[in-house]
Formats: sequence, C-alpha cells, structure tokens
Amino acid sequence: NAGVTQTPKFQVLKTGQSMTLQCAQDMNHNSMYWYRQDPGMGLRLIYYSASEGTTDKGEVPNGYNVSRLNKREFSLRLESAAPSQTSVYFCASSPQGWNTGELFFGEGSRLTVL
Amino acid sequence: KQEVTQIPAALSVPEGENLVLNCSFTDSAIYNLQWFRQDPGKGLTSLLLIQSSQREQTSGRLNASLDKSSGRSTLYIAASQPGDSATYLCAVSHMYSGGGADGLTFGKGTHLIIQP
Repeated sequence: NAGVTQTPKFQVLKTGQSMTLQCAQDMNHNSMYWYRQDPGMGLRLIYYSASEGTTDKGEVPNGYNVSRLNKREFSLRLESAAPSQTSVYFCASSPQGWNTGELFFGEGSRLTVL
Repeated sequence: KQEVTQIPAALSVPEGENLVLNCSFTDSAIYNLQWFRQDPGKGLTSLLLIQSSQREQTSGRLNASLDKSSGRSTLYIAASQPGDSATYLCAVSHMYSGGGADGLTFGKGTHLIIQP
C-alpha cells in the first residue's frame, strides 16, 4: 500500500553540487509530476510526464531536468544546485491524462542548498 | 492566467463547530477542482474532486460545492474535531479551448486549528 514513494526525505547540498530526487508509484498511473512548495508561493509545477515516454516543462523548470524511466518512476535532477532551490519537493501521480483526475502525492523531499 | 485565492489564510475554532473554507478562482473555464489536506511535514492528501459538470461532492463529514459562474468553491466541515487540524488547499484544473485539461493552479491554503 505504498502509493507514491520519494527518496531521499532530507538532503543538504552545497552550492554547485548535483543530486537526483527519485520518485516511484505503484498504482499504475499514467501521469506523474514534480512540484516545489515554498512559503508564500504555494505549490508550483516544475516538470510533468503525461504518459510514459513524454516529459514537459511546467511553470518553473529552470535548473532542473527530469527522466521518466518507465511507467513507475520519474526522477528530478539538479545539475548545479543553487540556494534558490532550497525547497520542499513533491512528486505526484494521477491515473488518467494530466490534471484530469485525482492527484496522489508523496511525502516530500526537503532540500537545503547552502 | 488563472488565480486561486483562499480566504481566510488561518482559522481557529472550537471543537464541534461546523465551518466553511472558501476558494475563489478568476477563470470559470475549469476542468475540475480538488480539495486537499496537508498535515505539517507531510504531503497532500486528496479529499474531494469535483468535475466541472458537478455542483457538489460529499465524503463523510466533508462537503464541497462548486459554482463556476461565480468562480467559487466551498469546503464544509461538519462537527469539527481536533484531528481536522491541518492546512486545506484547493486546486483548479484549467480547461483549454479544445475541451481538455490544462494547467493546475493551487491556492495557498487555509491553516485550520480545531481547539479541543
């Protein structure tokens, strides 16, 4: 009964370091998303994958890359981390096409960039 | 661009009261609207999803209504309990001209505290 699983839950990076956030869902959902949540800014879409094999930019894609490895997994990569990327990152999935159905979220990954 | 506003930003009420949380949106061309709950340090949990053709949805003590013409949705919580304390967010999926779903816009949430 895992749902959407994100790793790691916490990470501290130095400016310029790189890292990958992993996300996996076991609900056979078609669409997957990466959001960031910042105080006063709400949730903002970074990238999404409407179906296996496709990825598209969201509202705030700069500084990030994604890979839809297979139907289950959708990873988010920071190539050269900046303090402005300090945030809580959420992966989500939905069963149908993008934004047409209920969204299921992971527990979040809390990233601090020093 | 769709804007979603939730008022009030914070609300504190005694246990047992019925309460209403508000969500307003600027563009009535929506595909659906969802209400979520977020506990501190946790992810979002979907509570109710209302399609654009629906007027309301109910789940237990929760009832969400949708009035597209006025750009408003309300989440009604009956007989509130301390366990209902959380941040409640609404999110609106925009409908593009072809009739499908487009971007999802979140409100900033209402932080609800239920006093025992």
